[in-house]
Amino acid sequence: AQSVAQPEDQVNVAEGNPLTVKCTYSVSGNPYLFWYVQYPNRGLQFLLKYITGDNLVKGSYGFEAEFNKSQTSFHLKKPSALVSDSALYFCAVRDAWTGNTPLVFGKGTRLSVIA
Amino acid sequence: GAGVSQSPRYKVAKRGQDVALRCDPISGHVSLFWYQQALGQGPEFLTYFQNEAQLDKSGLPSDRFFAERPEGSVSTLKIQRTQQEDSAVYLCASSGGTGPFDYGYTFGSGTRLTVV
Repeated sequence: AQSVAQPEDQVNVAEGNPLTVKCTYSVSGNPYLFWYVQYPNRGLQFLLKYITGDNLVKGSYGFEAEFNKSQTSFHLKKPSALVSDSALYFCAVRDAWTGNTPLVFGKGTRLSVIA
Repeated sequence: GAGVSQSPRYKVAKRGQDVALRCDPISGHVSLFWYQQALGQGPEFLTYFQNEAQLDKSGLPSDRFFAERPEGSVSTLKIQRTQQEDSAVYLCASSGGTGPFDYGYTFGSGTRLTVV
């Protein structure tokens, strides 16, 4: 079975500082990993994905994530946070070898960027 | 269409009422997923269609929940005899692929269901 853990319910960071939102995963095979962002009263918006290749993945709005197979982690990072980055962030995983199985999401981490 | 469209955006139902939630996926997208997102939680999988075939309904919480996609495009999630615990945002997502290279989804804005 696939699962995702986001250990922090809330992350607070000052504007201009680097941010990290943590994610660890569990799959039986190789993972496909995703980050989505959700603004109030909106659906989930895709940020970035890891399928294969370079462990450092760059995505929308200056976000990046690093795939670490040994630590089964896929932490989301940004070098300099903006107030407009404040939102709910979800990590998701599916097993690459089990066909079109549904994405499994973590519980989410609320990011608050303080001016 | 340009995105995934869900209607209504908000629905208030009295306990015991039946409701129907609509999802209009991106044109040509083969795969369609329904998720339930309770307040403060991540999306939880409900069911999955590939064209008109419902391939996985393991996430439907009870037999009061029913989903269909009769022509392989628009989908409807129906909840019979709604209960307060059904209150949540119901998200629909579509994807253009069907195999292991189907990388990710496009989500609609969701339908917020409140059962009173």
